[in-house]
Amino acid sequence: EAGVVQSPRYKIIEKKQPVAFWCNPISGHNTLYWYRQNLGQGPELLIRYENEEAVDDSQLPKDRFSAERLKGVDSTLKIQPAELGDSAVYLCASSYGQASLKIYEQYFGPGTRLTVT
Amino acid sequence: AQKITQTQPGMFVQEKEAVTLDCTYDTSDPSYGLFWYKQPSSGEMIFLIYQGSYDQQNATEGRYSLNFQKARKSANLVISASQLGDSAMYFCAVSNTGGFKTIFGAGTRLFVKA
Repeated sequence: EAGVVQSPRYKIIEKKQPVAFWCNPISGHNTLYWYRQNLGQGPELLIRYENEEAVDDSQLPKDRFSAERLKGVDSTLKIQPAELGDSAVYLCASSYGQASLKIYEQYFGPGTRLTVT
Repeated sequence: AQKITQTQPGMFVQEKEAVTLDCTYDTSDPSYGLFWYKQPSSGEMIFLIYQGSYDQQNATEGRYSLNFQKARKSANLVISASQLGDSAMYFCAVSNTGGFKTIFGAGTRLFVKA
């Protein structure tokens, strides 16, 4: 079974430039998450999708960040314009959906390391 | 609100010995799940083990076991027979029912010495 795929793995941009990250979740996983992981910290949730619907975007800085999950499969996270403080690793994860009260583990992709100069 | 505390920024263990990584949590949800993930230098988060709040027995997965003490809100990870490949960051996480909200701790970096 293929894992969560993310691209690019690394990205270096200048501040004020736009950047986009792409994620392809595990087949059959309804729930998709985007996390940001700052150096020396654990991941922090930015947005969660159930199929194509963003059901939790309370931590997404909406003035510069946007995300979409067309057709409930692949997802794209965009930053425009990027700031120095956006330098971090952006992780995508997926899990089975909320079919029951069971709590499912999340499977993570390798992440995109963003450096804003 | 949920919170995870990992008080050990770094730990050293001799190869083949056991090591315990500490994790305490705080949640107001009556039902929740606890997870441990491993993050090697490659950056990918690898799921290790899961404990449900109503599970009577401590979870085990191969060399990993979770020492769950509900009254103390503690969910320590025990790695037996450490291997050099266990050197990595380890994150504890708590998730509410349905997995809608998952909070990660700051992590513990484990160093396994030959």
